[in-house]
Amino acid sequence: SYELTQPPSVSVSPGQTATITCSGDKLGDKYVSWYQHKPGQSPLLLIYQDYNRPSGIPERFSGSSSGNTATLTISGVQSMDEADYYCQSWAIVVFGGGTKLTVL
Amino acid sequence: EVQLVESGGDLVQPGGSLRLSCAGSGLTLRTYDMHWVRQATGKGLEWVSSIGAGGLTFYSDSVKGRFSISRENAKNSVYLQMNGLTAGDTAVYYCARAPGGRPNWYFDLWGRGTLVTVS
Repeated sequence: SYELTQPPSVSVSPGQTATITCSGDKLGDKYVSWYQHKPGQSPLLLIYQDYNRPSGIPERFSGSSSGNTATLTISGVQSMDEADYYCQSWAIVVFGGGTKLTVL
Repeated sequence: EVQLVESGGDLVQPGGSLRLSCAGSGLTLRTYDMHWVRQATGKGLEWVSSIGAGGLTFYSDSVKGRFSISRENAKNSVYLQMNGLTAGDTAVYYCARAPGGRPNWYFDLWGRGTLVTVS
């Protein structure tokens, strides 16, 4: 079965840039989406089709994908960004294991 | 307000059955591919099942043969019939909408989830 691999955790200081990776075999040939999930809330779509942002998502969230790795970049991290982040792609549907972002 | 509302979660014994419902409010579900995604406590998001606008269905290996997804356009709803439940099915179940078609599914609208406990 197809698997997407994310780092379990990433830590950054406020104002810094957080980079969360998602790896999978030939992932660059598939579209990748990214979600933010906070406890007690529904997941929130941040990025779809590799780099597109839905309306209402701040520009500091950006996505890219190449080769076997997709990347979610959060610029100027704020305390409110502390959450779990998941990548998702097609295989039929597969999610990465999630990355817990801690804002120090 | 556009939203998805799940219901039907409950405490059920192992081997039991449950039917979850997802109702659309402020939107028409029949034109969308719809999905169920679950999250067990302390675990990540796990895709469960999908149904296309035309009725084509998909299941994860972990639920294939036990769960059945369906939709009732007249009631603007999607359902997940769960049979042969085990402790491993304990999770919050989310209903989600995919605005794009296969293979470009991504989920732009999620419900608040309904809790299924198998014990």
